[in-house]
Amino acid sequence: GEDVEQSLFLSVREGDSSVINCTYTDSSSTYLYWYKQEPGAGLQLLTYIFSNMDMKQDQRLTVLLNKKDKHLSLRIADTQTGDSAIYFCAVLSGNTGKLIFGQGTTLQVKP
Amino acid sequence: EAGVAQSPRYKIIEKRQSVAFWCNPISGHATLYWYQQILGQGPKLLIQFQNNGVVDDSQLPKDRFSAERLKGVDSTLKIQPAKLEDSAVYLCASSSRLAGDNGELFFGEGSRLTVL
Repeated sequence: GEDVEQSLFLSVREGDSSVINCTYTDSSSTYLYWYKQEPGAGLQLLTYIFSNMDMKQDQRLTVLLNKKDKHLSLRIADTQTGDSAIYFCAVLSGNTGKLIFGQGTTLQVKP
Repeated sequence: EAGVAQSPRYKIIEKRQSVAFWCNPISGHATLYWYQQILGQGPKLLIQFQNNGVVDDSQLPKDRFSAERLKGVDSTLKIQPAKLEDSAVYLCASSSRLAGDNGELFFGEGSRLTVL
């Protein structure tokens, strides 16, 4: 079945870069997303990448996709304390149309 | 543009009681989803509607959970009877799923259920 895996926790210092990694199994994936969830709030789309792209940059965010290895990463440059949240990787299956989420990576940013 | 609205935000019930959650999606969005998010886990899809028809309910525990989307707009999710393991945040999301868009799901703030 479809599966999405993420590391559970990442701690960085303010101003450093953060890299959050995700692996998935569905080879029919079309879109891959990064969602952010702050405490007590719903999920907010941060960025996404189409499966025929290798990289997408959006201000401080860089998404890298290695389709061969089924590996997705999110790099946040100049990480700020306001970036502290849970980050979810999600993969849209081209076969089933289902959006499958990873278990989330908690990003802690220390001043 | 108004976002996805959900109510209630919080609900505490005892096991074996029933509960219902309501969702009003973004206007014009044909696809509506209910996800269950247990603490420390990612959201798990319970049911997906396209207009008022069910597209996928393979992970919905049908012995106790039910959902409907009458008239293809707002939706309700019901749990009867509730179990302790149903304690979670129930997230509603909607998307337009038009050709050429990025398939983005827009989420509500969720309804947090605690079963005692």
